[in-house]
Amino acid sequence: DAGVIQSPRHEVTEMGQEVTLRCKPISGHDYLFWYRQTMMRGLELLIYFNNNVPIDDSGMPEDRFSAKMPNASFSTLKIQPSEPRDSAVYFCASSLSGGARVKTQYFGPGTRLLVL
Amino acid sequence: GENVEQHPSTLSVQEGDSAVIKCTYSDSASNYFPWYKQELGKRPQLIIDIRSNVGEKKDQRIAVTLNKTAKHFSLHITETQPEDSAVYFCAAGTSGSARQLTFGSGTQLTVLP
Repeated sequence: DAGVIQSPRHEVTEMGQEVTLRCKPISGHDYLFWYRQTMMRGLELLIYFNNNVPIDDSGMPEDRFSAKMPNASFSTLKIQPSEPRDSAVYFCASSLSGGARVKTQYFGPGTRLLVL
Repeated sequence: GENVEQHPSTLSVQEGDSAVIKCTYSDSASNYFPWYKQELGKRPQLIIDIRSNVGEKKDQRIAVTLNKTAKHFSLHITETQPEDSAVYFCAAGTSGSARQLTFGSGTQLTVLP
């Protein structure tokens, strides 16, 4: 199994530019999560999807952030316009539901974003 | 919502000694408690997890204990090795429609040779 795949692995952009991060979950997983990790705020959940439907986006910091999951094997997190304070590592994770039991989340390698 | 507190934020131990990291949670409905290890520049990876119907679980040098009454759980690493140096995150999760994890703030463990 390839695991969760994220691209790009590194992104350097200038303030005001649009940034698109991509994620391919583990095949068959029906939950997908987007996290942001910074030294100051730790690991924050931004949004998660179940069967391609956004369930909770309360962690999305502001309207500049948007996420989509057009199908079971692909999701994007978009920042438009980007700001220096968006610099962080963005992780995608996926999990497989199993009745009422919470299942383990598997993380992708992350995208290291630097906004200048 | 759930709130997970993790202590200590940093921990240094001598190689061969034991390390203990503690977490508390607030939502009594939480029933799944994974621990993740994150090496520098890498992704968080699950190292062990425990569910609320179990009080302790062991995997070689790693063990996790859960006290549901007190709403706390701990990670124990015995015979620490330099490769155990990493950031460790605890998390709590709840069955039901909101199948998400709430993470602790992390513990930077340094094993000194």
